[in-house]
Amino acid sequence: NAGVTQTPKFQVLKTGQSMTLQCAQDMNHEYMSWYRQDPGMGLRLIHYSVGAGITDQGEVPNGYNVSRSTTEDFPLRLLSAAPSQTSVYFCASSTGTSGSEQYFGPGTRLTVT
Amino acid sequence: LAKTTQPISMDSYEGQEVNITCSHNNIATNDYITWYQQFPSQGPRFIIQGYKTKVTNEVASLFIPADRKSSTLSLPRVSLSDTAVYYCLVAPWGTGRRALTFGSGTRLQVQP
Repeated sequence: NAGVTQTPKFQVLKTGQSMTLQCAQDMNHEYMSWYRQDPGMGLRLIHYSVGAGITDQGEVPNGYNVSRSTTEDFPLRLLSAAPSQTSVYFCASSTGTSGSEQYFGPGTRLTVT
Repeated sequence: LAKTTQPISMDSYEGQEVNITCSHNNIATNDYITWYQQFPSQGPRFIIQGYKTKVTNEVASLFIPADRKSSTLSLPRVSLSDTAVYYCLVAPWGTGRRALTFGSGTRLQVQP
């Protein structure tokens, strides 16, 4: 199993541009989440999904959209990039029988100029 | 969600046992305690999870006293590769499947 994969690893955007961060998992996990991590900080939840077709907002959802059309994929879309969205983005997945065990991807480092 | 407090940083030497304590005074009856490890430029990795007393796996031990207002992550005989940030999280069973609340964590530096 590849686990949780994310693409791209690095991305530079100009203010106002849009883009989609890809996340996929091959573990058949129901639950998937997106977090952002700013330098020296813990992770903050952006959006999450409890299954295909079901998504909900986390702590910092503004400026981001998500969709979950399949169990495997959970893309994160930046609508109009802003410098405040410069961060490292992590995708995670977990099973329905998990307590608080999530599997994290390697992250996407995004810089908005 | 229960607020957690843990030291900002700790230093140790190779071969020593490291204990990182987390305070969670307002932990709820249905809350579980979970610890994650994060290396630079990587996503967090689940280490251990428990509800009360002691839990041990191949990586670490988790000690939880009877009042559950704190917990201690114990790393036996650390090596340089254990240098990382360690996060203590408290959440109801099931909530953590979709939404984890991370604090700033404890930065552990292991010296040779």
